[in-house]
Amino acid sequence: AQTVTQSQPEMSVQEAETVTLSCTYDTSESDYYLFWYKQPPSRQMILVIRQEAYKQQNATENRFSVNFQKAAKSFSLKISDSQLGDAAMYFCAYSPITQGGSEKLVFGKGTKLTVNP
Amino acid sequence: DGGITQSPKYLFRKEGQNVTLSCEQNLNHDAMYWYRQDPGQGLRLIYYSQIVNDFQKGDIAEGYSVSREKKESFPLTVTSAQKNPTAFYLCASSLTGTGVDEQYFGPGTRLTVT
Repeated sequence: AQTVTQSQPEMSVQEAETVTLSCTYDTSESDYYLFWYKQPPSRQMILVIRQEAYKQQNATENRFSVNFQKAAKSFSLKISDSQLGDAAMYFCAYSPITQGGSEKLVFGKGTKLTVNP
Repeated sequence: DGGITQSPKYLFRKEGQNVTLSCEQNLNHDAMYWYRQDPGQGLRLIYYSQIVNDFQKGDIAEGYSVSREKKESFPLTVTSAQKNPTAFYLCASSLTGTGVDEQYFGPGTRLTVT
């Protein structure tokens, strides 16, 4: 079974600085998607960024970027120029790509990010 | 505005009672999902549905039931057989169920059973 591990239960960063959240996963599939979701105190899950495994180029979305290391099964999230609004739980998730089946997102346990002013 | 609605935001029930959580989407998505979130845990999949009148068990389906009679609706019933029902429940949908589409989440329902 696929598993997703986030080894940092909590992280903190100073406003305007950069922070990296770690995620590793286990799968025998060759193609799949990886996601980072953000859950602020409102508890609304918001997609931050996603990466398809066959694409070698790391995904970026404004201040958010990933470091995808397929061989190492690692998918870290870098937040640059951290803002107070970035404070949230961040979840890493894995999804197999299926034909005719159903996707099943597998989530890590999350990393709570605190941004200090 | 398109999106997913879950009602109510907070729900209180007595032990032994069944309770149904509502999830509606107007995104015209085929696939819908129910997740449970507990403190210190990630989201765990309860049930999912790729198409109307069809659904499959997720990782923690025991004590729960669902129906998918309409494309836009996927209600979840927490039965008295669920041993620890107090949790935060999230509904999600995606355009297809093949893994290539983003899942959109509702605002969640906090269920407390005493």
